[in-house]
Amino acid sequence: NAGVTQTPKFRILKIGQSMTLQCTQDMNHNYMYWYRQDPGMGLKLIYYSVGAGITDKGEVPNGYNVSRSTTEDFPLRLELAAPSQTSVYFCASRRETGTTRQPQHFGDGTRLSIL
Amino acid sequence: AQTVTQSQPEMSVQEAETVTLSCTYDTSESDYYLFWYKQPPSRQMILVIRQEAYKQQNATENRFSVNFQKAAKSFSLKISDSQLGDAAMYFCAWGDSGTYKYIFGTGTRLKVLA
Repeated sequence: NAGVTQTPKFRILKIGQSMTLQCTQDMNHNYMYWYRQDPGMGLKLIYYSVGAGITDKGEVPNGYNVSRSTTEDFPLRLELAAPSQTSVYFCASRRETGTTRQPQHFGDGTRLSIL
Repeated sequence: AQTVTQSQPEMSVQEAETVTLSCTYDTSESDYYLFWYKQPPSRQMILVIRQEAYKQQNATENRFSVNFQKAAKSFSLKISDSQLGDAAMYFCAWGDSGTYKYIFGTGTRLKVLA
């Protein structure tokens, strides 16, 4: 049971390049989330998904896109990388169990630098 | 909009002593969840403890306990018998019971002195 797996762990991009951050979970969780963590700050929500085919914006969605074609995968796309997107990106997932609100499980993060 | 405030950027505690980390939040909702996460240098986000807002009893997990004051919108974390392995960034988070999103505070860096 791998939990939430993020790839790559590190990446350096040039301004204007595009890339996709991968996130997959093997826990059959229906909710998935993308956060970014800037230096010395807490995590801010970029996008989230409540199930396959359903996504919605979080606090800081500009410059990003997501898709959710399967329960397991929730990739995050950067179309035109900008220095302001230099950050550590975390993917998380959780299971909905009726009245009990389960906590989010986090991946190990992707450190992304835009130069 | 919901906000979470951690007013202590850094705290220090002697090994085996007790330390309390502060967290206040602002929300107009009556049903929500509160969490403390630990982030060691490895960058992992590790759940320490959680509290349901509808429960009056404070949550405890071994050496970790919370003081939840709903009217004051306060949610502090007490770490008893501090250990060197407790050194990390600690984040307080508010969880929406409807959309299940988290709002995080800016964190408190905890140093444990031998």
